[in-house]
Amino acid sequence: DVKVTQSSRYLVKRTGEKVFLECVQDMDHENMFWYRQDPGLGLRLIYFSYDVKMKEKGDIPEGYSVSREKKERFSLILESASTNQTSMYLCASSSQGEVRYEQYFGPGTRLTVT
Amino acid sequence: AQKVTQAQTEISVVEKEDVTLDCVYETRDTTYYLFWYKQPPSGELVFLIRRNSFDEQNEISGRYSWNFQKSTSSFNFTITASQVVDSAVYFCALDSGGGADGLTFGKGTHLIIQP
Repeated sequence: DVKVTQSSRYLVKRTGEKVFLECVQDMDHENMFWYRQDPGLGLRLIYFSYDVKMKEKGDIPEGYSVSREKKERFSLILESASTNQTSMYLCASSSQGEVRYEQYFGPGTRLTVT
Repeated sequence: AQKVTQAQTEISVVEKEDVTLDCVYETRDTTYYLFWYKQPPSGELVFLIRRNSFDEQNEISGRYSWNFQKSTSSFNFTITASQVVDSAVYFCALDSGGGADGLTFGKGTHLIIQP
């Protein structure tokens, strides 16, 4: 079974803090993604990566950055957390190929910024 | 631009009823993939099905079935003889183009199955 793990289920941070959300997958997937989920808005793509050290902006990258130093690990960084970044953050991974493979999701990190 | 519309925000039915969740998509690509995911109260999204744009055959998996119609840009999901364990938020998603562009999700339909 594909396993995607996220470092924390719940996190509380203060405004202005630098926040790191970690994601690790164990299926040797090339692609990794970060989404945020908000009530009434569904899931929105923040950043994705299709290879080590490669990153691409998604639909809502402002206020975020990412790091992928190893194939299995994809980190989301909030440089200076703000209250409007309070949300559920979901990491996902998928295989790469000529077809689009399904994404496998982690359990999510519920981040509260106070 | 891609878009996925799930017009039903919330549906509530009594157990054993059949229920259909609607999904309408927009894309200019000729090759694309459609997905359905289930998010139970525990929060983790569970993959249910993937369908590519060249395969319009409907699919049945146990009590679940999917109806893909390119003519109406719809990919609807039906649960037959619903059960309380089917209660969850269901998301329809679209993926097209090359590379790893991520999924475009609908806003989800909250399905409540009452005993």
